[in-house]
Amino acid sequence: DAGVTQSPTHLIKTRGQQVTLRCSPISGHKSVSWYQQVLGQGPQFIFQYYEKEERGRGNFPDRFSARQFPNYSSELNVNALLLGDSALYLCASSRTAASYNEQFFGPGTRLTVL
Amino acid sequence: QKEVEQDPGPLSVPEGAIVSLNCTYSNSAFQYFMWYRQYSRKGPELLMYTYSSGNKEDGRFTAQVDKSSKYISLFIRDSQPSDSATYLCAMSAIGQGAQKLVFGQGTRLTINP
Repeated sequence: DAGVTQSPTHLIKTRGQQVTLRCSPISGHKSVSWYQQVLGQGPQFIFQYYEKEERGRGNFPDRFSARQFPNYSSELNVNALLLGDSALYLCASSRTAASYNEQFFGPGTRLTVL
Repeated sequence: QKEVEQDPGPLSVPEGAIVSLNCTYSNSAFQYFMWYRQYSRKGPELLMYTYSSGNKEDGRFTAQVDKSSKYISLFIRDSQPSDSATYLCAMSAIGQGAQKLVFGQGTRLTINP
């Protein structure tokens, strides 16, 4: 079975632009979470979506938004990019939204903001 | 103070050594504890998953959780060069409304042949 897939792999943007990142969960998984990992740090929770509804949001500004589609894939949007948004953006999928369910990560999208 | 503290290392040991990686945490609501391995420029890979206090063994890996001390450990026996990676501890709580993982900073481990 395929794991979590993310696209694109790499992305270079300039300050003020907007970006959309995509994630496809493992088949049968209905929950998708997004994390931001700055170089040298652990991932930070951004959003969780389950059954197309937002279940949780981390401490990120409103420039960050996301959605989940009927096939459980998800998009993360970031508007008005800042230099500090440069990071590896990780998507994780889980069978359900329950805390005890394991989360499996994709390879990430590396975003560079110039 | 961060919710989860992890020594970033780097940690360098010879092949075959026993490696001990540790994290401390402050939130007593954490019930689920995980260790992820992350190779350079890759996504984290789930290694071990434990619930509440106790030990769990999987091959050369052993995870320990001591909730009374708010301390978790990962032991790697007979370490191999292929174990060289960054190891991230992560934890989550029940009833927080979201399936949110809180990660440590990660420990960079190098196993020298």
